[in-house]
Amino acid sequence: NAGVTQTPKFRVLKTGQSMTLLCAQDMNHEYMYWYRQDPGMGLRLIHYSVGEGTTAKGEVPDGYNVSRLKKQNFLLGLESAAPSQTSVYFCASSYGLAGNTDTQYFGPGTRLTVL
Amino acid sequence: QQPVQSPQAVILREGEDAVINCSSSKALYSVHWYRQKHGEAPVFLMILLKGGEQKGHDKISASFNEKKQQSSLYLTASQLSYSGTYFCGTESRSNYQLIWGAGTKLIIKP
Repeated sequence: NAGVTQTPKFRVLKTGQSMTLLCAQDMNHEYMYWYRQDPGMGLRLIHYSVGEGTTAKGEVPDGYNVSRLKKQNFLLGLESAAPSQTSVYFCASSYGLAGNTDTQYFGPGTRLTVL
Repeated sequence: QQPVQSPQAVILREGEDAVINCSSSKALYSVHWYRQKHGEAPVFLMILLKGGEQKGHDKISASFNEKKQQSSLYLTASQLSYSGTYFCGTESRSNYQLIWGAGTKLIIKP
């Protein structure tokens, strides 16, 4: 039981390049989330999904897109990377049975640097 | 709006107690507490729900004052393993989102 996994662990991009971060969970969770974490600012929600085929915007969605084609996977895309997107990205998932008042399980994170 | 956590950092000796506070300007539905060690992912500690229900850790306690939109996390007889940054996440309405505080860094010295 791997829990929540993220690929890749580290990535360096040049400004304007694109990339996709992959999040996978094997706990049959309905809800999945993408966060970014910057020093001194805690976690900020980028996008989230409450089920397969559904996505919604969080606090800081600009510059990112997501897709949830399969229940176990949640992809985060950067179409044209900018230095302001340098951050640590965390994916999380939860059962969602009781709405959002539920434990979130986090992946190990992806450290992204945009030059 | 981001909840305010206090203190920003605290240094304790092993065995001492600590209180970490989380305050919001919005009416809260629930408060979630997580701990993150350096270079690792956040790990769940506690959920406090409106109405008094509490779910979580058996060695750490917390309170939730719905009227004041405040929550406090109590770490009793701290151990070295308690070191890390503690985050509160607040839910103001049932929209599947948590808004997170900036964190409280806790350092435990032997």
